[in-house]
Formats: sequence, C-alpha cells, structure tokens
Amino acid sequence: SYELTQPPSVSVSPGQTARITCSGDALSKQYAYWYQQKAGQAPVVVIYKDSERPSGIPERFSGSSSGTTVTLTISGVQAEDEADYYCQSADSSGSYRVFGGGTKLTVL
Amino acid sequence: EVQLVESGGGLVKPGGSLRLSCSASGFTFSSYYMNWVRQAPGRGLEWVSAISSSSSYIYYADSVKGRFTISRDNAKNSLYLQMNSLRAEDTAVYYCARDGSVTSPFYWYFDLWGRGTLVTVSS
Repeated sequence: SYELTQPPSVSVSPGQTARITCSGDALSKQYAYWYQQKAGQAPVVVIYKDSERPSGIPERFSGSSSGTTVTLTISGVQAEDEADYYCQSADSSGSYRVFGGGTKLTVL
Repeated sequence: EVQLVESGGGLVKPGGSLRLSCSASGFTFSSYYMNWVRQAPGRGLEWVSAISSSSSYIYYADSVKGRFTISRDNAKNSLYLQMNSLRAEDTAVYYCARDGSVTSPFYWYFDLWGRGTLVTVSS
C-alpha cells in the first residue's frame, strides 16, 4: 500500500491563487486525480490524469505534476470554491485506490 | 438522467450485518467498474471496494477484507455491499461511485458518485 499526503488547510483571499499539493511515491508512476467536496455533498472530480479538466469544470481549476508531487491550482479563487479537496491515485491494475487526507480550502 | 442512488443504510449493533444497494440509471451500467467509497463523520474519503464490469475482478481495502463482500447484478443495474462483523469504526456515509473509464487504457478514478447512505454501528 502507499500513502498520499496533503496539507490539512489552505487559506486564500478572493481573486488570489490557491495551490494544494499532494505527495506520494506512487505519483511518479501513476496518475493523480482531484475531487472537490462541498459541505453535505458528494465529491466531484475536478482534475483527472494529473491535468485534464472534465467538462463543466471552470478553467480556473488546473493540475500539474512533478516527480512525486502533484498540485491543484485554483486561479482567481471565488467564494464558491470553499470546500474540501482530495487527491487520489491507484496502482497500475486498479486493485488498490487511495485518497489523500484532504485539504480544507478557506476563502477569507 | 445519469445517476446513482444508494440505499440500505441504518443503525446496526457491533457484530451485526447490513446490505447496501446502489441503483444505477442513465448509462450502460454493465460496461463500468463500480466502487464503494466511505467517509466517517468529519473525516476523509476512504476507498472500500471495487468490482469489474463482469464481476471477474474484485478488490478490497485491507480494513474491510474478509468482512465485506461486493457484488453486482447487471440485469438489475445494481451494485451491492454485504457488510458483516460490523465495527464502530465502520460508521460512515457509504458512496457508490462509477469508474472513470470504460475501455482500456483504464484510469482508476471516480467520475460519478451517488449521494451516499449513512451506516451507524453502535450499541
């Protein structure tokens, strides 16, 4: 098994850029995925395959990867972006999937 | 409408059993890997189990292996989770989640989620 590590919290003011990191040895070999979960709701994928954005996700959401760390970047943060964000990955066969501990994004 | 709807949650005593169901609609259920993911109150997401489209491949997290059984009925567009020997630490909202790819190469993520069903294990 392996682990993904995220900072517990990130705070930014509206209009600024938020960056949330996720680190783990497996990320150098496997894709990472990012989910947004607002209070009382189910998660929604906002980035897949490190940097791809699903249809319907605003362009201000982007993802990048470098070595064993992936980063979710939210440019021009809006109040509605306040949520918990989780990174996720899996082994090559899909037999094991893992989430990071989650990062609470606070919009000041 | 493309959706997943879970049911079957409730209050159960430690050591007891419960069966969760997930009803799928609006897409070709039989083509997708499906999963259960849970979230304890105030905690993060935890993947529980996955099952391939034809049930040929089944995987579990170590925390539930030997106690939980995932299954599906493609004729009924339904996914199930049989939970036995339940513990207090199994208390969580259980989500049904669809895999994000239907053909090879497979990308192991979750592109569609239900709203979840709450399981409470307490005496």
